[in-house]
Amino acid sequence: KAGVTQTPRYLIKTRGQQVTLSCSPISGHRSVSWYQQTPGQGLQFLFEYFSETQRNKGNFPGRFSGRQFSNSRSEMNVSTLELGDSALYLCASSLFQGSDTEAFFGQGTRLTVV
Amino acid sequence: DQQVKQNSPSLSVQEGRISILNCDYTNSMFDYFLWYKKYPAEGPTFLISISSIKDKNEDGRFTVFLNKSAKHLSLHIVPSQPGDSAVYFCASSARGGADGLTFGKGTHLIIQP
Repeated sequence: KAGVTQTPRYLIKTRGQQVTLSCSPISGHRSVSWYQQTPGQGLQFLFEYFSETQRNKGNFPGRFSGRQFSNSRSEMNVSTLELGDSALYLCASSLFQGSDTEAFFGQGTRLTVV
Repeated sequence: DQQVKQNSPSLSVQEGRISILNCDYTNSMFDYFLWYKKYPAEGPTFLISISSIKDKNEDGRFTVFLNKSAKHLSLHIVPSQPGDSAVYFCASSARGGADGLTFGKGTHLIIQP
């Protein structure tokens, strides 16, 4: 069974630009969550999508958005990039909505904003 | 304010001995707790979890203990093996995960031969 796939693995963008990251969950999983990992703040919850709807959202500005498609694949978009957005962005998939179930993580996308 | 704290950034243990990783939380609404393991350049891998209705859960070499009154949980690895060297994250959730998982900052476990 293929795991969670995130593309691209690495990305370098300039301040002010926007970026789109992609996540393909494990086959059959309908929930996709996104997390940001930075050295200072650790892993922080961005949002969760289930059945193409955003179900939960963490404490991040509106520049961070996402969507989920009918095949459960998800994209995350960050607009007007800031230097502080440099981080590892992790996607996790689960069978069910909510986090009180096992979440399987992808390898992440390392975003560097210069 | 950190709701999940792992106060030891690193821990060194001899191969074959017991590794004990600790985690404290402040949010009394947390009702589900998980441990993840992370190798460099990989995403976190789920290890073991425990619901707040239990105080212990065991899976092979891994046992998680939960002390609700102290708001403390620990992960025991016995015996420790070289492949256990990794960063371990404690995570918690509440309200069926409505706010996602709240992670600690991790403990780097080093198993020495």
